[in-house]
Amino acid sequence: DTAVSQTPKYLVTQMGNDKSIKCEQNLGHDTMYWYKQDSKKFLKIMFSYNNKELIINETVPNRFSPKSPDKAHLNLHINSLELGDSAVYFCASSQDGGSSYNEQFFGPGTRLTVL
Amino acid sequence: KNEVEQSPQNLTAQEGEFITINCSYSVGISALHWLQQHPGGGIVSLFMLSSGKKKHGRLIATINIQEKHSSLHITASHPRDSAVYICAVSADMYSGGGADGLTFGKGTHLIIQP
Repeated sequence: DTAVSQTPKYLVTQMGNDKSIKCEQNLGHDTMYWYKQDSKKFLKIMFSYNNKELIINETVPNRFSPKSPDKAHLNLHINSLELGDSAVYFCASSQDGGSSYNEQFFGPGTRLTVL
Repeated sequence: KNEVEQSPQNLTAQEGEFITINCSYSVGISALHWLQQHPGGGIVSLFMLSSGKKKHGRLIATINIQEKHSSLHITASHPRDSAVYICAVSADMYSGGGADGLTFGKGTHLIIQP
């Protein structure tokens, strides 16, 4: 009965490959997010998405694309992986991101290592 | 763009001590969040507040909107409190924040020694 789940937990891949990380929330929330935590443990927003709009952090390369098949899922696709993409990626959700006053629930994280 | 500053970056204390972690931010917000990240990596939301003070067990969070400052206090600290504590802010929706996620501080690495 995990609230926000991510798969896989660990992902090791070669430079240049294309990979996806899946995220699912069973909280009935309207808004989902992807965050990146770098090697210095600093967290940064990548995307936020609800039924109405996708907001992209302008620093995110267009090799990264979120895909939402339904309200409960927000998957992260990464094309042409680079060494600098190695990080821990966290998915999160909140009831209504539009109000900006909602607790966020985080997934367990996916540690991506690009060789 | 909001800048979130936390202090101290690292804190080592003895079991039982009273702990204070500070957070300041640069522009108006709709809410401030305190998060905890354990060595295993998972992130847990401790508090979300937009004014005043909240208490949960041995944890207390306060915020002063005028001064753009928040503090997280831990009373009677215990080794199991050892973790990284992260301050994060939600943008002010009236400034066009909308659903744009959190802006994070760099975290405070807390170690409580027995």
